[in-house]
Amino acid sequence: AQKVTQAQTEISVVEKEDVTLDCVYETRDTTYYLFWYKQPPSGELVFLIRRNSFDEQNEISGRYSWNFQKSTSSFNFTITASQVVDSAVYFCALRPFHNTDKLIFGTGTRLQVFP
Amino acid sequence: DAGVIQSPRHEVTEMGQEVTLRCKPISGHNSLFWYRQTMMRGLELLIYFNNNVPIDDSGMPEDRFSAKMPNASFSTLKIQPSEPRDSAVYFCASSPDWTDYEQYFGPGTRLTVT
Repeated sequence: AQKVTQAQTEISVVEKEDVTLDCVYETRDTTYYLFWYKQPPSGELVFLIRRNSFDEQNEISGRYSWNFQKSTSSFNFTITASQVVDSAVYFCALRPFHNTDKLIFGTGTRLQVFP
Repeated sequence: DAGVIQSPRHEVTEMGQEVTLRCKPISGHNSLFWYRQTMMRGLELLIYFNNNVPIDDSGMPEDRFSAKMPNASFSTLKIQPSEPRDSAVYFCASSPDWTDYEQYFGPGTRLTVT
């Protein structure tokens, strides 16, 4: 089965706190891609990162960092020193290499950052 | 560079009416996707095209839904007749060639069927 689980439905933090959004995936493919998208209150979906299954290096982009661990089938997303503008719904997605071009989305985690 | 363009941004229609949603993908992108987002079902892939050809329409809910891509720069999603349960946000996304896999989403069309 191909599946993405985001167990955290909603997270609330106060500005400047660090927050980690969890993503656990299931796939039988040995080659696959993982993604994170952000959906702010305005509604559009913004691409954040893509990671392929051969690259387990963690990635940092400013206040954002991603931890990919194949051993636990997880691709977690951490925001350091959160800001109010980080408030959004964040989606993790999986694209198994041999399963056409379909993206399999998780149900999303709503992050609210309070001032 | 222009992103994915969708029109209209909002559509309110009465049950039974025909609805047409439009999408212009990013120039040069070969794949185009239609998604639907609702609170109950989250993000669902309805159909996708590669080089203007429909590849997988297994997500299309029923025969009332149809999608076309007459050329590389335009696609439509049509609902006829519309029903209240079709109310959702419909997203169009496009993706570059097969060597690159991010999908870039349009702003969405919020459809309300009364």
